[in-house]
Amino acid sequence: GAGVSQSPSNKVTEKGKDVELRCDPISGHTALYWYRQRLGQGLEFLIYFQGNSAPDKSGLPSDRFSAERTGESVSTLTIQRTQQEDSAVYLCASSLAMTANQPQHFGDGTRLSIL
Amino acid sequence: RKEVEQDPGPFNVPEGATVAFNCTYSNSASQSFFWYRQDCRKEPKLLMSVYSSGNEDGRFTAQLNRASQYISLLIRDSKLSDSATYLCVVLGSSGYALNFGKGTSLLVTP
Repeated sequence: GAGVSQSPSNKVTEKGKDVELRCDPISGHTALYWYRQRLGQGLEFLIYFQGNSAPDKSGLPSDRFSAERTGESVSTLTIQRTQQEDSAVYLCASSLAMTANQPQHFGDGTRLSIL
Repeated sequence: RKEVEQDPGPFNVPEGATVAFNCTYSNSASQSFFWYRQDCRKEPKLLMSVYSSGNEDGRFTAQLNRASQYISLLIRDSKLSDSATYLCVVLGSSGYALNFGKGTSLLVTP
């Protein structure tokens, strides 16, 4: 079956522009997660959704970052007024449920480059 | 102190060799542990979960030592296709956020 799908694969934009990243989770997965991986660094947790709700937004780096999920399916991560330090690979993952023994399955990521 | 620490390597081993990776984690309340594999410029893929009793999947064996807060991955009879970065991953105290080590790089050579 289809895995986690993310778009675009690559995004290059100028500093100060807004960007929107999209994630389609595996069908039937109720939990969805966003992570960021900067060059040479480990993955950094940003936010998760249980259904359409995001109970904990404390992982978002700044108020320029926001995310939403609709229909317990597609999620978008929006970065406003992008800065060069936002350059990273943004990875989305989903899991069948938000329980400890349910592994998270990752999409290919969106490689974001801010000029 | 980082939540998950790994030796970054690189580990360069010949085909057929046995190689072991180690990882330590700081939160003694952590409940779930995983090894993921990440190929260059690709997404992390789950390799195996790690259970308290230790578990094996073909050539791969994972061990967990809760007392020492230590996780290991053993790869036997290394293949060229095993070349990748191996990520030690611990489910954080939040119960939903995965904490990733920076990864250990493995290169298997002919």
